[in-house]
Amino acid sequence: AQSVTQLDSHVSVSEGTPVLLRCNYSSSYSPSLFWYVQHPNKGLQLLLKYTSAATLVKGINGFEAEFKKSETSFHLTKPSAHMSDAAEYFCVVTFSGGYQKVTFGIGTKLQVIP
Amino acid sequence: KAGVTQTPRYLIKTRGQQVTLSCSPISGHRSVSWYQQTPGQGLQFLFEYFSETQRNKGNFPGRFSGRQFSNSRSEMNVSTLELGDSALYLCASSFTGTSGETQYFGPGTRLLVL
Repeated sequence: AQSVTQLDSHVSVSEGTPVLLRCNYSSSYSPSLFWYVQHPNKGLQLLLKYTSAATLVKGINGFEAEFKKSETSFHLTKPSAHMSDAAEYFCVVTFSGGYQKVTFGIGTKLQVIP
Repeated sequence: KAGVTQTPRYLIKTRGQQVTLSCSPISGHRSVSWYQQTPGQGLQFLFEYFSETQRNKGNFPGRFSGRQFSNSRSEMNVSTLELGDSALYLCASSFTGTSGETQYFGPGTRLLVL
């Protein structure tokens, strides 16, 4: 069975400071991992994706995430937060071995303080 | 390419009614998945269709059903609506729906049941 845990339901940072959104996963198989962002009243937009290539994945809008197999983590980071980053972020895991079964984390709401 | 489109964007119904939501995937994508998003339960997988066949199903009652047409467009139907069905319904498309493949999300249909 697979699962994904987003360790913080809310994160608050000041504009210009680093962002860290934490995600741990559990998967019996080699996972594919994604981060999506959802702005209010919008659908989900793909930020980045890991599928067993480079462990450090760069995404859009300056975000990146590092896959650490030993820690079963896939934390999302950004060096400097912008006001426009305020949104909800979802960590998602799928596992290899056939048709896609998708498991979403509960989401982390990022607040950016001016 | 145009993104995933969902219609209608907003819908208000009363208990006991039924509703049909529509999703048009990205051109060339044959897999369509549906999700329900609520504040209390987060994002929950409803079902996935591929080539007009339901391939995966989440843990929802039989009141929730769907279908996919030969042009890959998909519809989701909810019968005998309950207050708890109020949610944002998201549709996602991908090319084959196999493991590790990126899903692209539509803007969602916000359903309010009174």
